[in-house]
Amino acid sequence: GAVVSQHPSRVICKSGTSVKIECRSLDFQATTMFWYRQFPKQSLMLMATSNEGSKATYEQGVEKDKFLINHASLTLSTLTVTSAHPEDSSFYICSARDGTGQETQYFGPGTRLLVL
Amino acid sequence: AQSVTQLDSHVSVSEGTPVLLRCNYSSSYSPSLFWYVQHPNKGLQLLLKYTSAATLVKGINGFEAEFKKSETSFHLTKPSAHMSDAAEYFCVVGLYGGSQGNLIFGKGTKLSVKP
Repeated sequence: GAVVSQHPSRVICKSGTSVKIECRSLDFQATTMFWYRQFPKQSLMLMATSNEGSKATYEQGVEKDKFLINHASLTLSTLTVTSAHPEDSSFYICSARDGTGQETQYFGPGTRLLVL
Repeated sequence: AQSVTQLDSHVSVSEGTPVLLRCNYSSSYSPSLFWYVQHPNKGLQLLLKYTSAATLVKGINGFEAEFKKSETSFHLTKPSAHMSDAAEYFCVVGLYGGSQGNLIFGKGTKLSVKP
């Protein structure tokens, strides 16, 4: 099946720094990628949807200036958490969907962010 | 509007006994429905999906789910639980949304398997 990777798998940073998370579709072209956030023992919450070559669409309540999303190619999307604070600590998961019209999203393994 | 309800936050079974994880959905359209599994500190893996074909859907690792429109249910079952099945399971409704195709996640059911 389709494989999606994320890098890094885990990151610890100081408050005020920026962190970039990469999401790659390894064996298919992802016309659309999604970024989710998951708090401990909770479900996934969609943060934003990005289509290759266009601006991301953010869900209500998600600060687009804080969570910068770039989808520059059909296999790569990046999420940058700018000026991270401890409340940004979370598990960030990306997913990707190919352009065949199917609704299945293929999920990456997630990135655990801890802001000290 | 679409929504999904997982009726149990935690299910505990003994190894070798059947598994039933319940899910009810609400959708204005004929929905796409998915079950995903998440092992601790891991991403999500697709178990199976329903997309208006056969109502009984077979997935990986011996899991299957039956779409029942009259009951608006999509319960996940497995005849015999294995220790490796212990994980968090999410029932998901797929939105028809043009270029977006968002997913709405249930709150998850944690499956524990006792030896």
